[in-house]
Amino acid sequence: QKEVEQDPGPLSVPEGAIVSLNCTYSNSAFQYFMWYRQYSRKGPELLMYTYSSGNKEDGRFTAQVDKSSKYISLFIRDSQPSDSATYLCAMSAVAAGNKLTFGGGTRVLVKP
Amino acid sequence: GAGVSQSPSNKVTEKGKDVELRCDPISGHTALYWYRQRLGQGLEFLIYFQGNSAPDKSGLPSDRFSAERTGESVSTLTIQRTQQEDSAVYLCASSLNPGTEKLFFGSGTQLSVL
Repeated sequence: QKEVEQDPGPLSVPEGAIVSLNCTYSNSAFQYFMWYRQYSRKGPELLMYTYSSGNKEDGRFTAQVDKSSKYISLFIRDSQPSDSATYLCAMSAVAAGNKLTFGGGTRVLVKP
Repeated sequence: GAGVSQSPSNKVTEKGKDVELRCDPISGHTALYWYRQRLGQGLEFLIYFQGNSAPDKSGLPSDRFSAERTGESVSTLTIQRTQQEDSAVYLCASSLNPGTEKLFFGSGTQLSVL
């Protein structure tokens, strides 16, 4: 079993809908949680970063972490076609880029 | 430069050949990472450089893989005697300091081993 599980999708939604993404994990030591967005033929770019449990909002994006359930979520409100991309969750037990564990990514398609 | 630059963007090679991939990190970023991304999969950590410290090579899959970094600038990832299972996108990332998980990635090198 992988340390971080993420549904590969694709997840197809109409423009304007809410996109709901999630990851589950098994390592209770994880306390740094990130969401990266990756467009085709591009490197991942950091979208959201959360430390420990709780919610964080940034514009149309909301990240939630539930450490008790080992479950993290990303919500995208008022989705746009430009949000079509692969979304990767990543997490680590320490603040160190070489210790990140990534999910496999969920491909999202927002249809106009 | 404005971002992490990788070259070549695409590389096609024959099984058994050696390949060299290049990464130019963001200026001033002290930490540099190499990751591998197989089709439809998440990123696998390969190697990490921080200043003059010994690199963290714990992610290198075999002794055919090696990497070097010149000071706090360019890095090269070398794969010797390539195999078909080496086919993947090789991503380089840099960060401002080592105590962060916030990475800035390049666009990667798509390696295809025939």
